[in-house]
Amino acid sequence: AQSVTQLGSHVSVSEGALVLLRCNYSSSVPPYLFWYVQYPNQGLQLLLKYTTGATLVKGINGFEAEFKKSETSFHLTKPSAHMSDAAEYFCAVSDQGYSTLTFGKGTMLLVSP
Amino acid sequence: NAGVTQTPKFQVLKTGQSMTLQCAQDMNHEYMSWYRQDPGMGLRLIHYSVGAGITDQGEVPNGYNVSRSTTEDFPLRLLSAAPSQTSVYFCASRDGTGVDYGYTFGSGTRLTVV
Repeated sequence: AQSVTQLGSHVSVSEGALVLLRCNYSSSVPPYLFWYVQYPNQGLQLLLKYTTGATLVKGINGFEAEFKKSETSFHLTKPSAHMSDAAEYFCAVSDQGYSTLTFGKGTMLLVSP
Repeated sequence: NAGVTQTPKFQVLKTGQSMTLQCAQDMNHEYMSWYRQDPGMGLRLIHYSVGAGITDQGEVPNGYNVSRSTTEDFPLRLLSAAPSQTSVYFCASRDGTGVDYGYTFGSGTRLTVV
């Protein structure tokens, strides 16, 4: 089975600061990688995904992530944080022959004024 | 096109009771899976299916049963509910073909076992 490590269960930034959420994965096959966001008491919303092609992936709400095979990483970034970005973020990698996902434990992003 | 529909949205069970969480998709997706979400643990795979009549266990299958008699439906059965099964449950599906795909998630079922 694959695995995902998200560094930091909580990350705090000031409004307007750079957001960097770290994700490292292990996979025995070419990975498909995903970032999801979850607002309180809501479901999962797909931010972005990498399957094939360009390694820099742009998603919704100004987020982007870069697939770095040599570092087995897929870090999520946003140049300028907004208060509305406060939520929990999950990194995930495809598993079981691409039929399921393996998730990291999540990172809670806190944004202060 | 409703996507993935989970019912109920909320449920309270007493220890020892049984129940079925329903999951239905109308996209003709081959792959379906169940996850549970617990604080600090992310989402963990319970069971999954790669097609009608085919199911397999995930990371945390104990206490749960599944079956896949049709492409559309993938119910999750709790045989004898325990407080440790208090969680939020998500069902997901995806198309088994193509290289550029995503997973579609249901809105979740919040289960409390008392």
